[in-house]
Amino acid sequence: AQTVTQSQPEMSVQEAETVTLSCTYDTSENNYYLFWYKQPPSRQMILVIRQEAYKQQNATENRFSVNFQKAAKSFSLKISDSQLGDTAMYFCAFHDYKLSFGAGTTVTVRA
Amino acid sequence: ETGVTQTPRHLVMGMTNKKSLKCEQHLGHNAMYWYKQSAKKPLELMFVYSLEERVENNSVPSRFSPECPNSSHLFLHLHTLQPEDSALYLCASSQDSAGAYNEQFFGPGTRLTVL
Repeated sequence: AQTVTQSQPEMSVQEAETVTLSCTYDTSENNYYLFWYKQPPSRQMILVIRQEAYKQQNATENRFSVNFQKAAKSFSLKISDSQLGDTAMYFCAFHDYKLSFGAGTTVTVRA
Repeated sequence: ETGVTQTPRHLVMGMTNKKSLKCEQHLGHNAMYWYKQSAKKPLELMFVYSLEERVENNSVPSRFSPECPNSSHLFLHLHTLQPEDSALYLCASSQDSAGAYNEQFFGPGTRLTVL
């Protein structure tokens, strides 16, 4: 069975600082995809970043980057230069034959 | 309208009521999904439709009945629900259901409260 674990229910960060969200997953598959989704208080969930398991290079999207450690089955998200608009719940998701989500981490950016 | 829309945004119903949730996607996608989002729990995938055919049903109680009349519309019919069914119900779509690379696009959700 697939499981995705986000061990940090809540995190708070000062504006302009950096925050890192952790995610671990469990799978016996070798080829799969990993995603971070963001759900702002308005509730529409959007994709932040994705990573293919066969790529060693960590994905980056502007201020968002991941640290993908395949052997450790770890997929953390780093938000640099945090902005107030980054306040949201962040979900880690894993996809081989279907998409499975973690329980989410609520990130609050303080002014 | 763009993206994925859901109506109603909020719904309060009694346990004996029958109601329906509606989802519409304007992205030309072939796959649509229903998820249940409860506080402090992972999103639970309920149903997957690909080209209007149900391809996955994750042991969802029969009081939830999905319907996909075409690739742009998805309904979730609700009947004799329980209070523990209160949650945020999210609809999503993607280009297809099999492609792991495909991004899922989500609607804003329907907040359901069962009294």
